[in-house]
Order: sequence, then structure tokens, then C-alpha cells
Amino acid sequence: DGGITQSPKYLFRKEGQNVTLSCEQNLNHDAMYWYRQDPGQGLRLIYYSQIVNDFQKGDIAEGYSVSREKKESFPLTVTSAQKNPTAFYLCASSSGGVRTEAFFGQGTRLTVV
Amino acid sequence: SQQGEEDPQALSIQEGENATMNCSYKTSINNLQWYRQNSGRGLVHLILIRSNEREKHSGRLRVTLDTSKKSSSLLITASRAADTASYFCAPSGGATNKLIFGTGTLLAVQP
Repeated sequence: DGGITQSPKYLFRKEGQNVTLSCEQNLNHDAMYWYRQDPGQGLRLIYYSQIVNDFQKGDIAEGYSVSREKKESFPLTVTSAQKNPTAFYLCASSSGGVRTEAFFGQGTRLTVV
Repeated sequence: SQQGEEDPQALSIQEGENATMNCSYKTSINNLQWYRQNSGRGLVHLILIRSNEREKHSGRLRVTLDTSKKSSSLLITASRAADTASYFCAPSGGATNKLIFGTGTLLAVQP
């Protein structure tokens, strides 16, 4: 069953802690993306990767880090430097970057307590 | 960066009516995509229209593209309560590999 999986669905973090959100795809897609969505808002691009071992900053990369060691995996770490990390995080992948449709995971809702 | 702006921000209609959402953008594009998001879920791709296409259909969806006006519209015909969702456009062009979304149109279809 092909798709893109994000885990966990809900995540609680104490202030000052780093936390890593998982994103795995078995669609053999080269491109992967991470977005942040705040209540009632659109999606803002955090990081994106066009190929293994390469990634670029999006519009709001500060306080976040990523890695792309495997084609199928693109984990996002929310560091303690992120001032307001409570949000809904979405991961996506596509075969042809912006030239083809993107497939999204179901999201991870992160709450800082 | 290439980003679409959807209009209106919110739209409320009755079941059976048509819903039209618009997307405007600023720079040249290669294609424009429309996505749908149900509350608390990931986005689902609806349709991709290329810059050399003017109109595209998919079921009850009709998308138009006017590159001279730098705008696109998404028409949902004979709407259903299940069409209630947010709709986003994502124009893409130039050398960028960023997939950027606007703030979306929130559509509410009243049964």
C-alpha cells in the first residue's frame, strides 16, 4: 500500500526540549517537503529536499533542522530555538518536484506544554 | 517567491449550488495546482493545469487558467456537504523547486 506516513499523530513536548517528527514515503519520490500550519492559516514551507543528501531552507527554517540520508525518509527536528513550535506539521512528497502532484501525510499536531 | 492568493477567504453556499474560488499570482508559471484540505488532515491533490492549457475538467471540478491576467479559478458544480473543506492553489514557475501555498479559501456547503 503506497503512501506517505507521518508519526506520531499527536506529540507533546516540554519547553526547551528538541523533538523529531517522522516522515516516511514508499512512493519512490525524489522530492520531499515539510510545512507548518497554524490555526486558520495556510501552509508555510520549512524545508524541502529534491534528492537524497541534499535539502534547502524554506521560508521559515529558523529553529528547525532536517536530514535526508535515505530517499524514503525526511525527518524534521523542532529544536528548542523555535520560539513558537505549537502547530500542525505536514510532510509531502512528489516525483517531479513542482512539476507533478504532491502527496501529503496526515500531519503531526505538536503541542508545547 | 511564487505564491498564490486565494479569494474569497471564506465562502458559504447551499448544497446543489456552484462554488467558485479564485487564485491570483504574480510571476510567470509553468503550471498551477489546486489542492483540498479537510479539517485537521493532509492536503489532497485535485488538479494540475499547465501554462499552455486554458481549461481542465475532472468530475465536478472545472479549472481555468488565464496567464495574461495571472489568475486561475476553481469551479465546483452541484456542491455537496462533503465538499466542505479548505482549497489551496500552488502556482509553480521558473527555476524554483519550492512548492508554495497561499492561505486558502474555506468553503462551507450547508445541507
